[in-house]
Amino acid sequence: SAVISQKPSRDICQRGTSLTIQCQVDSQVTMMFWYRQQPGQSLTLIATANQGSEATYESGFVIDKFPISRPNLTFSTLTVSNMSPEDSSIYLCSVWPRKIHSSTDTQYFGPGTRLTVL
Amino acid sequence: DAKTTQPPSMDCAEGRAANLPCNHSTISGNEYVYWYRQIHSQGPQYIIHGLKNNETNEMASLIITEDRKSSTLILPHATLRDTAVYYCIVRDVVEYGNKLVFGAGTILRVKS
Repeated sequence: SAVISQKPSRDICQRGTSLTIQCQVDSQVTMMFWYRQQPGQSLTLIATANQGSEATYESGFVIDKFPISRPNLTFSTLTVSNMSPEDSSIYLCSVWPRKIHSSTDTQYFGPGTRLTVL
Repeated sequence: DAKTTQPPSMDCAEGRAANLPCNHSTISGNEYVYWYRQIHSQGPQYIIHGLKNNETNEMASLIITEDRKSSTLILPHATLRDTAVYYCIVRDVVEYGNKLVFGAGTILRVKS
């Protein structure tokens, strides 16, 4: 298993500013993902954070708006840039722990960061 | 797009079994069925997954039909704390690390 922590747990920000969310895992993991959950909605994958290279973004998400870093196998950050009220969401970090696939593998999620943009 | 179809909501009496259905008619041979749940304001929690055989763990049982086109998650004795959104997801394990794509899920309300 993997224990994931996120900072901050919540924040209230002003329009036009940026916020960086940190994700820390208690063990080295192969894959890290960032998801967004808008109010009352399901989870939407933003991107896959790749260690040592640029993140892979899903359709509708761009690097200028959501820059991602992954300097090592236990840590990643997501920045929400030039925020607007439409960015108010819960942002979740998720990991796929192992390099070699096993039928017992599963994906784990952090507690989330609740962002409100005024 | 999500490859699964679930009812939007269900109610269950406390202490009774909760049976949550999921249709995945386009599932391929490499794809596992995963179940997660999300209790209000928390990150999704893994419940169980399976390929073609029925599976059971300390949380739940997963029943997959022989043709694999549908499955049922069973919570044997639902409690109020099981009230959550339940997500059924199919995932291709051959494509290692393939992303989890969430659908709308089923809101399960356990009532006393």
